[in-house]
Amino acid sequence: KAGVTQTPRYLIKTRGQQVTLSCSPISGHRSVSWYQQTPGQGLQFLFEYFSETQRNKGNFPGRFSGRQFSNSRSEMNVSTLELGDSALYLCASKVLGGADSGANVLTFGAGSRLTVL
Amino acid sequence: GQNIDQPTEMTATEGAIVQINCTYQTSGFNGLFWYQQHAGEAPTFLSYNVLDGLEEKGRFSSFLSRSKGYSYLLLKELQMKDSASYLCAASGAGSYQLTFGKGTKLSVIP
Repeated sequence: KAGVTQTPRYLIKTRGQQVTLSCSPISGHRSVSWYQQTPGQGLQFLFEYFSETQRNKGNFPGRFSGRQFSNSRSEMNVSTLELGDSALYLCASKVLGGADSGANVLTFGAGSRLTVL
Repeated sequence: GQNIDQPTEMTATEGAIVQINCTYQTSGFNGLFWYQQHAGEAPTFLSYNVLDGLEEKGRFSSFLSRSKGYSYLLLKELQMKDSASYLCAASGAGSYQLTFGKGTKLSVIP
């Protein structure tokens, strides 16, 4: 069974540009969450999608957006990139859209490492 | 909101036992997760506690006290491959997100 796949794995952008990251969840998983990971802040929640609807959103500016397609694949977009957006962006999927539990565990992808110059 | 605290770094010797503590303050609480993350890799699920007490899984055990807002991850018979970051995460009641601590970087030395 394939895991969570994120593309691209590495990318370099310059300030002011925009970027789109892609995530393919585990087959059968309908919920996709995105996290930003930095050395100083750890993992911070960006948003969660279930059945093409955003269920929850973290405390990030509107420059961060996402969407989910009917096949559960998800994309996140960051516009007008800033130096502080340099981070590892992790996507995670789980079977159901409800609360996390022992039966509804988040499985993470390897991440997309974004460097903003 | 939720606040989760865990030590930044720990060092332990191969073959020893190490305990990584985590305290949490949440407005609602479902359960407590532990994840392991090796450098450059995805976090992987280790354990989930919803009731008070100790859950044992091989060399790894996790403990939860809901009344104290406290959990720990116990690693026995440490191996070099256990060198990784260990992430504590709380699941909030009625929410659809995990809130993570900043992680504890464990270094296992010979």
